[in-house]
Amino acid sequence: QQQVKQSPQSLIVQKGGISIINCAYENTAFDYFPWYQQFPGKGPALLIAIRPDVSEKKEGRFTISFNKSAKQFSLHIMDSQPGDSATYFCAALNSGGGADGLTFGKGTHLIIQP
Amino acid sequence: EAEVAQSPRYKITEKSQAVAFWCDPISGHATLYWYRQILGQGPELLVQFQDESVVDDSQLPKDRFSAERLKGVDSTLKIQPAELGDSAMYLCASSRDRDQPQHFGDGTRLSIL
Repeated sequence: QQQVKQSPQSLIVQKGGISIINCAYENTAFDYFPWYQQFPGKGPALLIAIRPDVSEKKEGRFTISFNKSAKQFSLHIMDSQPGDSATYFCAALNSGGGADGLTFGKGTHLIIQP
Repeated sequence: EAEVAQSPRYKITEKSQAVAFWCDPISGHATLYWYRQILGQGPELLVQFQDESVVDDSQLPKDRFSAERLKGVDSTLKIQPAELGDSAMYLCASSRDRDQPQHFGDGTRLSIL
């Protein structure tokens, strides 16, 4: 059972455009939603995270939008740059559960064309 | 910025052999995680430690995998015997405590021949 569904699988955006990646979850106990960026041969790097008490969080060019009723959240990358080309993973966690392993989506391969 | 250190970066071995991976978390981080990432997928948790104690190893194939964090600092993940399906990236992550953000190392890429 895939608890976090991520789309699209791949995305091509022109330089300067907005990149949007979506995730949906099933477990209503999830209460922490981070996004990670991964370059080839590297480990995932934490980009930005949100908890369900807010609907939006912005850090620089990266924004998370969160819709608790729809059980969906998305990452927006404004003014996308070629250096943003990477694989992006959404994840979710039930911080009140017995363990703290993140449940990841399958990833989105983002290409920013110059 | 402090990083999670992992070694080796790459490991190629034949099936039925033993392999071991090492992780040194960010200094002061009490919680340590081992994840496995199959190519084209997101990481999946294998085991979580809080200091030297196992919090969760429900997804660790215990017939062949073992993990330890004897002094509550660095950790070792072992596979014996390795199988073809074990080929993957093995990632270590750490966090200051259980409800804090997780930071990943660059992993060990394992290839089983």
